[in-house]
This record gives sequence, C-alpha cells and structure tokens, in this order.
Amino acid sequence: AQTVTQSQPEMSVQEAETVTLSCTYDTSENNYYLFWYKQPPSRQMILVIRQEAYKQQNATENRFSVNFQKAAKSFSLKISDSQLGDTAMYFCASLIQGAQKLVFGQGTRLTINP
Amino acid sequence: DAGITQSPRHKVTETGTPVTLRCHQTENHRYMYWYRQDPGHGLRLIHYSYGVKDTDKGEVSDGYSVSRSKTEDFLLTLESATSSQTSVYFCAITPGQFYGYTFGSGTRLTVV
Repeated sequence: AQTVTQSQPEMSVQEAETVTLSCTYDTSENNYYLFWYKQPPSRQMILVIRQEAYKQQNATENRFSVNFQKAAKSFSLKISDSQLGDTAMYFCASLIQGAQKLVFGQGTRLTINP
Repeated sequence: DAGITQSPRHKVTETGTPVTLRCHQTENHRYMYWYRQDPGHGLRLIHYSYGVKDTDKGEVSDGYSVSRSKTEDFLLTLESATSSQTSVYFCAITPGQFYGYTFGSGTRLTVV
C-alpha cells in the first residue's frame, strides 16, 4: 500500500523567514513521483513542485525547494523568504509510476504572520 | 485556466436525495479523477476513469457511482446522499504522471 504522512498539522512563521514542511511516504516501488500542492483559502489546488524518484537532484522552483531523501522516504518542502501569500494548506502527494492513484497526506496548515 | 471546470460550486441537499456533480475538461486528457477532501484526511480518491466508459474504484467508492460517456465529461453520482458524504469534491485531470494532476475548483456539498 502507498501511504503519505504529514506530521505537522499546523505551522506558523513570520514573514521573510524560512520554513520547512515535513513529509514521509511509504512505498515498495522504485519508480514514483512526489508532489507538493498548495491550497489557499480560495480552495484551488495548485501544484508547487514535483520530483521524480530516480532523480537525485532536489527540485527547485523559485523560493520553493525540496529535500528528497529516498532511502529515508522523506520529501520535505522548504519555503524561503516566506510571504503572506504563502499562507495556505500544503499537501504532499505520491504517485507510483504505472498506477493511477495520486495519494495525499493529511495536509499542513501554514500561516505566515506579518 | 487549465481547462477543467466543475459544477455546481456549492450545493445543499437533503438526506436520501440523489445528487450528480459534473466535471468538464477541454484538454482531451484520457484520465479523469474524483476526490473528496475532509479535514484530517487530505484528499481521497473516489473513482477514476481511463477512457470513455472505462472507470475504476478508488479507496472511498462506497455510495458513489460515476459515468463517462464522452471524453470531456465525468459525472459523479450520489444515489442517496447521506450526511457522511458532506465534503468538498474535486475533479482532476492529467496529461501524464510526471506532470501531476490539475484540479478543478471543487464543489462544496452539504447533506442535511
């Protein structure tokens, strides 16, 4: 079975600080994809960043980067220079290659304070 | 935006009534999905479709049925709504696994 766990239900930081959201996953497969999605109060699900498991290099998208530790099955999201607009629910998700089921963690509610 | 729309955006219905939610895409993607979002559970897969008239169950499919008679439309039906089906429902599409899924704006369904 494929599971994703986000152990931090809520986090809060000051604007301009760096924050790291944790995610662990469990799969016996070797080829898979990992994603972080952002859900602001508008409810829209927005893809933030993605990582292919066979790539050792950590993905980066502007202020967002990941720390992918394949052996530890860990996929954390780092947000640098946090902004008020980063306030949202963040979901970690995994997708096994060849399967058709994107599996989500429970989410972390992130609040950026002015 | 990404060519996926859901309707309605909000709906309140009574226990025991049938409800149909609609997902429409303009991207011609083969795969379409229905998820529900509940606090503490993230998003969970209800059903998905891999082509016209080809569907399969997800992890929380009890009480739901789906239909896909055209590539662009994927319908989710609650045959007899229950209070436990109060949730936010998301439709999603994908051009390929690497790209992840693109989600619609969601339907908030309240069963009273």
